[in-house]
Amino acid sequence: GDSVTQTEGQVTVSESKSLIINCTYSTTSIAYPNLFWYVRYPGEGLQLLLKVITAGQKGSSRGFEATYNKETTSFHLQKASVQESDSAVYYCALGDRGNNNRIFFGDGTQLVVKP
Amino acid sequence: AQTIHQWPVAEIKAVGSPLSLGCTIKGKSSPNLYWYWQATGGTLQQLFYSITVGQVESVVQLNLSASRPKDDQFILSTEKLLLSHSGFYLCAWSLVWGDTGQLYFGEGSKLTVL
Repeated sequence: GDSVTQTEGQVTVSESKSLIINCTYSTTSIAYPNLFWYVRYPGEGLQLLLKVITAGQKGSSRGFEATYNKETTSFHLQKASVQESDSAVYYCALGDRGNNNRIFFGDGTQLVVKP
Repeated sequence: AQTIHQWPVAEIKAVGSPLSLGCTIKGKSSPNLYWYWQATGGTLQQLFYSITVGQVESVVQLNLSASRPKDDQFILSTEKLLLSHSGFYLCAWSLVWGDTGQLYFGEGSKLTVL
């Protein structure tokens, strides 16, 4: 089946430091799934941060980047310098066109940015 | 601009009681609609999807049902709640079937079953 794994439940980073949130995926029904990062800021709804639908490509938004790596089946989220306002829960997700167009989410990673 | 509104924001219900959660999308005609559920500390799971009025497909069996009585309305319900139904329910819409692109989520409804 399809699944997404985020190994860290919470990541704490000091402001202006770099960030990486790990995401790996597994799929048996589609060779090239669409990959997404969604974010939920405190008090707000879940929203798309970035998406990449082509293997080898990089997506970016609000200073965050993620590269679709088919060899390692990874889609890690990175940012060079985090701000306190980046504190939120980040969800990695996989879109499977061959499985009723389902989107599979990881468990989410809570990012805490310390001032 | 498109808006998505979910109701109620939160509910506390007894085991065995009925439930109805609603979702309305304004400013977009014929969207694809979805219900997601997240147990406390759990993964966000897709429960139902609908691509047209009156047509709903079940993705995960949780003793819940869903209906789409109007183009802009999606209802999640059950006649008998279980403790395991507790969690956070999210309604979402997307533009194009097959795109598996951007989902637009509502604010969610928090359900506590006692």
